[in-house]
Amino acid sequence: GESVGLHLPTLSVQEGDNSIINCAYSNSASDYFIWYKQESGKGPQFIIDIRSNMDKRQGQRVTVLLNKTVKHLSLQIAATQPGDSAVYFCAENIFQGAQKLVFGQGTRLTINP
Amino acid sequence: NAGVTQTPKFQVLKTGQSMTLQCAQDMNHEYMSWYRQDPGMGLRLIHYSVGAGITDQGEVPNGYNVSRSTTEDFPLRLLSAAPSQTSVYFCASSRTQGTGNTIYFGEGSWLTVV
Repeated sequence: GESVGLHLPTLSVQEGDNSIINCAYSNSASDYFIWYKQESGKGPQFIIDIRSNMDKRQGQRVTVLLNKTVKHLSLQIAATQPGDSAVYFCAENIFQGAQKLVFGQGTRLTINP
Repeated sequence: NAGVTQTPKFQVLKTGQSMTLQCAQDMNHEYMSWYRQDPGMGLRLIHYSVGAGITDQGEVPNGYNVSRSTTEDFPLRLLSAAPSQTSVYFCASSRTQGTGNTIYFGEGSWLTVV
């Protein structure tokens, strides 16, 4: 079956640097993509999403880029802070008009002081 | 507004026992889903519902039953628990239209089957 995957399982960056987390997806019919942050012992926390008809969307300190040609999604976090340390998941909604998410494996982001 | 409420938070079961994980939402959302998360993995869809009286299977439905008798509640039943069902379970709900920011997750239920 089709699935969403991540290129790197772990990422360490210096506090204040920018972070880029990548994700590959395979379902060309997905209508939107989501980035979640998950801290230990908690549920997924919505960060930002992007519809399939867009290629870039910006939020507060975060930017999501979507490249449909190569089926690639990335999350850029600017000026990382200690509170950004968490596991980040990308997810795609494979059922248009409803919520049916396929999650990637996750990337653990560690912020070094 | 409580959002999505899951109970229990933690549960230990013996192999073969049955139990129900409860999920309730107070946002009048049509869509509700159950996901499981194994260590080091992303969430995987077990079952979902697009409205009261309607349910369907997700990616990993075996060993689980669901029902949706009301809009608010979407319980997940394990009829005969197995060690492979040791996982963290998340319930989610969303409205009919919208994107990622309309999906709300519960805080999770940690289940251990021994």
